[in-house]
Amino acid sequence: QVQLQESGPGLVKPSETLSLTCTVSDGSMSGSRYYWGWTRQPPGEGLEWVASVYYSGNTYYNPSLKSRLTTSVDTSKNQLSLKLTSVTAADSAVYYCARLSPLTANDNPYFSYYVMDVWGQGTTVTVSS
Amino acid sequence: DIQLTQSPSFVSASVGDRVTITCRASQGISRYLAWYQQKPGKAPKLLIYAASTLQSGVPARFGGSGSGTEFTLTISSLQPEDFATYYCQQLNSYPFFGGGTTVDIK
Repeated sequence: QVQLQESGPGLVKPSETLSLTCTVSDGSMSGSRYYWGWTRQPPGEGLEWVASVYYSGNTYYNPSLKSRLTTSVDTSKNQLSLKLTSVTAADSAVYYCARLSPLTANDNPYFSYYVMDVWGQGTTVTVSS
Repeated sequence: DIQLTQSPSFVSASVGDRVTITCRASQGISRYLAWYQQKPGKAPKLLIYAASTLQSGVPARFGGSGSGTEFTLTISSLQPEDFATYYCQQLNSYPFFGGGTTVDIK
């Protein structure tokens, strides 16, 4: 079973850049089957989708974060990365990476839905001086 | 952007109860919807996708229905391990989540 592991600094100063890495345990990043994504969860709040990226570099960003976000895939290292610039306290959260797999519905095997079926354990980031 | 609104935000229930959670989309999304379960300190777990398809390994007491703008997650007989927060998510290029529904012990 594939495993995802997030890593990065637990503490970032306001106005600086947050950089996170997600390492995938198997070689599935190099294939064209999956998307990869980031989701975050501020303390005591709900889930917020951040970004999704295909192995080829095709990316989708949350419009509310797009101007500050960069995400990419390094298939040679089996890693997904996230960079968020000009962070504030509002960016403090648990950040999760996830694999988006093309899954077929029970009643239609010819159509796939990209779904976050495998998640990392999450890494906590606090923005504070 | 398409918004997802879950109701209720909080539900108190007892073991054995039938629990129903609703997710409404601001625009029609066909069956592009998933449901996740999250327990404190843990990553979300996929339960249902395509509105009604049960993910492998998920107990049959979980069921999903709906299409277009209104969707439902039903737990037919609540078990102790089901006390958690549940989120809906749209399955498109911008996979936003609903606000969540916490199922707590009555």
